[in-house]
Amino acid sequence: DVKVTQSSRYLVKRTGEKVFLECVQDMDHENMFWYRQDPGLGLRLIYFSYDVKMKEKGDIPEGYSVSREKKERFSLILESASTNQTSMYLCASSLVDSADTQYFGPGTRLTVL
Amino acid sequence: AQSVTQPDIHITVSEGASLELRCNYSYGATPYLFWYVQSPGQGLQLLLKYFSGDTLVQGIKGFEAEFKRSQSSFNLRKPSVHWSDAAEYFCAVGAPGNAGNMLTFGGGTRLMVKP
Repeated sequence: DVKVTQSSRYLVKRTGEKVFLECVQDMDHENMFWYRQDPGLGLRLIYFSYDVKMKEKGDIPEGYSVSREKKERFSLILESASTNQTSMYLCASSLVDSADTQYFGPGTRLTVL
Repeated sequence: AQSVTQPDIHITVSEGASLELRCNYSYGATPYLFWYVQSPGQGLQLLLKYFSGDTLVQGIKGFEAEFKRSQSSFNLRKPSVHWSDAAEYFCAVGAPGNAGNMLTFGGGTRLMVKP
């Protein structure tokens, strides 16, 4: 079974703090993704990576950056957290083909106070 | 750019009743289509996907979906709902051949099941 793990299930941070969310997959997938999930808006893509050190912006990259130094690990960074970044963050991974299934982690619920 | 609409935000059905969740997409050609389910406190799990061939697709947990090109729809169905089906359901569309396998998700439909 594919396993995608995220470093925290719940996180509470203060405005202005730097926040790291980490994601690890164990299936040697080329693609990794970060989404945020908000009620009524579904999932919106923040960034994705198709290879080590490669990244592409998604639909809502503002206020976020990412890092992929190893194939199995993809980090989402909030340089200076703001209250409007309070959300559920989901990581996913997949093989390279566009018909391939994305496998999701359990999510991190981030609250910024 | 592709888009997905799930017109029903909430649906309540009785256990044992049939279910249909609606999904409409916008894309210039035949897309790849997916249905995912998210149980409370969980990540998303793939129920089924369509990328070519037979337009009626069978998935896990007794779900099926039908791709209707003329209506730009990919509705999810189940003949008899179980209480454990209570969850949020997401339809997603992908573009064949796109770099990176990016998906566009609908807003989701939350299903509640009455005993």
